[in-house]
Amino acid sequence: DADVTQTPRNRITKTGKRIMLECSQTKGHDRMYWYRQDPGLGLRLIYYSFDVKDINKGEISDGYSVSRQAQAKFSLSLESAIPNQTALYFCATSDLQPGGETQYFGPGTRLLVL
Amino acid sequence: LAKTTQPISMDSYEGQEVNITCSHNNIATNDYITWYQQFPSQGPRFIIQGYKTKVTNEVASLFIPADRKSSTLSLPRVSLSDTAVYYCLVVNNNAGNMLTFGGGTRLMVKP
Repeated sequence: DADVTQTPRNRITKTGKRIMLECSQTKGHDRMYWYRQDPGLGLRLIYYSFDVKDINKGEISDGYSVSRQAQAKFSLSLESAIPNQTALYFCATSDLQPGGETQYFGPGTRLLVL
Repeated sequence: LAKTTQPISMDSYEGQEVNITCSHNNIATNDYITWYQQFPSQGPRFIIQGYKTKVTNEVASLFIPADRKSSTLSLPRVSLSDTAVYYCLVVNNNAGNMLTFGGGTRLMVKP
């Protein structure tokens, strides 16, 4: 969905390096999420935010941090990257509507930690 | 969060109707059933959502029996481009509830 963009799309880094993944959305949604996906597996939630002042840990937050700079931007940081953080990372947004919540996903960032 | 169980994989042929069933035995009163589709190296995409009985849109139909402990996603006349992973999720409409993605069903459509 072009309304949710992620940068970079691909990244190779070395163990111990700090990196940041960026997510921007033009949908005007309050809720934003970061997921990771490992090969052959479903998505796992890392962090989520319901508005600019709200940050919540997800299922697998250890080793990650986030920043919600504005309604439209949600960044994910790996303070000291390690090889088992090699994965596909997705950002998503949603706006709770009557009848349930639909999430809109970005194109993903493929991260390789050497 | 209600846990869902669905087949790991399914095969079909072009032009056939595909039905993917999902079990959610501990679904709560306020929960909705939602399906997402994911192509390789892309983010999941919302397909359909329902609460009970039948919901139909331009992509699929969703059948939910009266007890709501299971649901069936029906894809009419699949094509090769329907090859993807399909995730069944139970979503609570209350604030603070997250989507939980399981392993999904990997559908392979053959010519």
